[in-house]
Amino acid sequence: AQSVSQHNHHVILSEAASLELGCNYSYGGTVNLFWYVQYPGQHLQLLLKYFSGDPLVKGIKGFEAEFIKSKFSFNLRKPSVQWSDTAEYFCAVKNNAGNMLTFGGGTRLMVKP
Amino acid sequence: DGGITQSPKYLFRKEGQNVTLSCEQNLNHDAMYWYRQDPGQGLRLIYYSQIVNDFQKGDIAEGYSVSREKKESFPLTVTSAQKNPTAFYLCASSIDAGAYPYNEQFFGPGTRLTVL
Repeated sequence: AQSVSQHNHHVILSEAASLELGCNYSYGGTVNLFWYVQYPGQHLQLLLKYFSGDPLVKGIKGFEAEFIKSKFSFNLRKPSVQWSDTAEYFCAVKNNAGNMLTFGGGTRLMVKP
Repeated sequence: DGGITQSPKYLFRKEGQNVTLSCEQNLNHDAMYWYRQDPGQGLRLIYYSQIVNDFQKGDIAEGYSVSREKKESFPLTVTSAQKNPTAFYLCASSIDAGAYPYNEQFFGPGTRLTVL
């Protein structure tokens, strides 16, 4: 069974700091990769996704993620965080052998103003 | 206004009672899903349904039951057999459960269940 690991459970940054959240998965075949964000009191929403093509994916609100197949990674980045980025971030993977998403444990990001 | 609604937002029940969580969508999506969210464990799939009158167990189906009698509705029952039911429950839907872009999931606001 595939698994997804997010090694940073809690991250605290000051505004304007750069962000990188790690995501590693275990499945060896073709995958679709996602980052979801859950702002306080709001729905879980899609931040960005990778299906094929350019491994550097750009999402909403200045976020981007890079798919590195050799490292089984899909790390999320943002060059300069804002207080409004305070949220919980989830990495998810879907393999082409099944229909379901597997989620990582989530990373709580707090940005200090 | 299209979307997914879950009710109620907060639910309290006594231990040993069954409780049913509502999930409705007006997106005309075929596939619907139930997840459980616990701190540090992310989202774990309980049940999913790819079409009306059909559903499959996810990773943690024990102690839960579902039905899919209508396309727009996918209620989840948390039974007394579920050993640790207190959690945040999220419902999601997608056009279908197949390939991109049809399998992109959209989430409801969630129901926080507390069993006393």
